[in-house]
Amino acid sequence: ELKVEQNPLFLSMQEGKNYTIYCNYSTTSDRLYWYRQDPGKSLESLFVLLSNGAVKQEGRLMASLDTKARLSTLHITAAVHDLSATYFCAATNAGNNRKLIWGLGTSLAVNP
Amino acid sequence: SAVISQKPSRDICQRGTSLTIQCQVDSQVTMMFWYRQQPGQSLTLIATANQGSEATYESGFVIDKFPISRPNLTFSTLTVSNMSPEDSSIYLCSVEDPSGRINYGYTFGSGTRLTVV
Repeated sequence: ELKVEQNPLFLSMQEGKNYTIYCNYSTTSDRLYWYRQDPGKSLESLFVLLSNGAVKQEGRLMASLDTKARLSTLHITAAVHDLSATYFCAATNAGNNRKLIWGLGTSLAVNP
Repeated sequence: SAVISQKPSRDICQRGTSLTIQCQVDSQVTMMFWYRQQPGQSLTLIATANQGSEATYESGFVIDKFPISRPNLTFSTLTVSNMSPEDSSIYLCSVEDPSGRINYGYTFGSGTRLTVV
């Protein structure tokens, strides 16, 4: 059974600093997703990672995937307050049911 | 990517009543997913709805409590029946990109914030 673990669950960081959120999954998965959720809002898709060694970047966020280690990372560079949100990773089972298995989320607060 | 219109955005309901949540997608999609997200928590999949067949429910969720309709490829409803305060939550619908472009990921509706009093 696929399980997704995310850490840390809470992260408070200063503006300008770098940090990484980790997402481990327990069995083979063919796709890894990162989403952002602002308080009281829905989820916004950030990245979809499909293959080993995949790296995607958008602004100050960079996501990578290591399928051998069953690990994805979301790296934040020079954080700004606007990045404060909850970040979720999710994975799908290799197969056809397309069901997303979610991590618990990382609540990020970027402080001045 | 697809655009989903979800209604209502929020509601306050009396216990014992039912609420029907609607999701309208601007494109035809094969599967629609219904989630529950309790405050400060992650997402829990309630069921997967395919057009023309009964929804597939996850462990802990039953059709009598959460009946789902999927009359066509662009629309679905989720009903929360015989509500209790424990049903207070955010309910979200979601679809994959209808063109099959997997790089777009899944799109979510804006959510329905339900409070049961």
